[in-house]
Amino acid sequence: KNEVEQSPQNLTAQEGEFITINCSYSVGISALHWLQQHPGGGIVSLFMLSSGKKKHGRLIATINIQEKHSSLHITASHPRDSAVYICAVRSGRSGGGADGLTFGKGTHLIIQP
Amino acid sequence: DGGITQSPKYLFRKEGQNVTLSCEQNLNHDAMYWYRQDPGQGLRLIYYSQIVNDFQKGDIAEGYSVSREKKESFPLTVTSAQKNPTAFYLCASGLGNANEQFFGPGTRLTVL
Repeated sequence: KNEVEQSPQNLTAQEGEFITINCSYSVGISALHWLQQHPGGGIVSLFMLSSGKKKHGRLIATINIQEKHSSLHITASHPRDSAVYICAVRSGRSGGGADGLTFGKGTHLIIQP
Repeated sequence: DGGITQSPKYLFRKEGQNVTLSCEQNLNHDAMYWYRQDPGQGLRLIYYSQIVNDFQKGDIAEGYSVSREKKESFPLTVTSAQKNPTAFYLCASGLGNANEQFFGPGTRLTVL
């Protein structure tokens, strides 16, 4: 089964700072998801990627398949970015259900004004 | 509006009672999923369904049951056999096969 590690576990930064959250996994994958969970508990899908880089607004996600590593970047961070960011990977085989998704424990981000 | 709804948002039950959590989607998705989230842990899959009238156990199915009689609905029953039922439960739906999953707002269950 794939092991998914996120770092850091907790991150507090000042408004405007450039944020990087990392995700490493142990077994080759077919897709990686970045999710955002707000304090109320609802989860929003930010990105799904299998190679290269994707950008949406101030968010950028990259993945290096050879190094089994992905990063989520937030530019010009804002207090409303405060949330838990979760990395999830799909291995080629079922190890977590229909889509074989294995989730990291999340990174708790706080952006202070 | 298209989306996934879960009800209720907060649920309290006495130990030994069965309780059913609702999940409805109007996104016309074939696949639906139930996850459990505990503090400091990643989401864990309880059950999933790829099509109506069919469902499969996930990683932590013991003490839970589901049904999928309609495409739009995938209720989860937490039975008295579940030893630690207090948790945050999330429902999701998607097109399956590693496509994006869309999550509901969650139900926080507390068993007293």
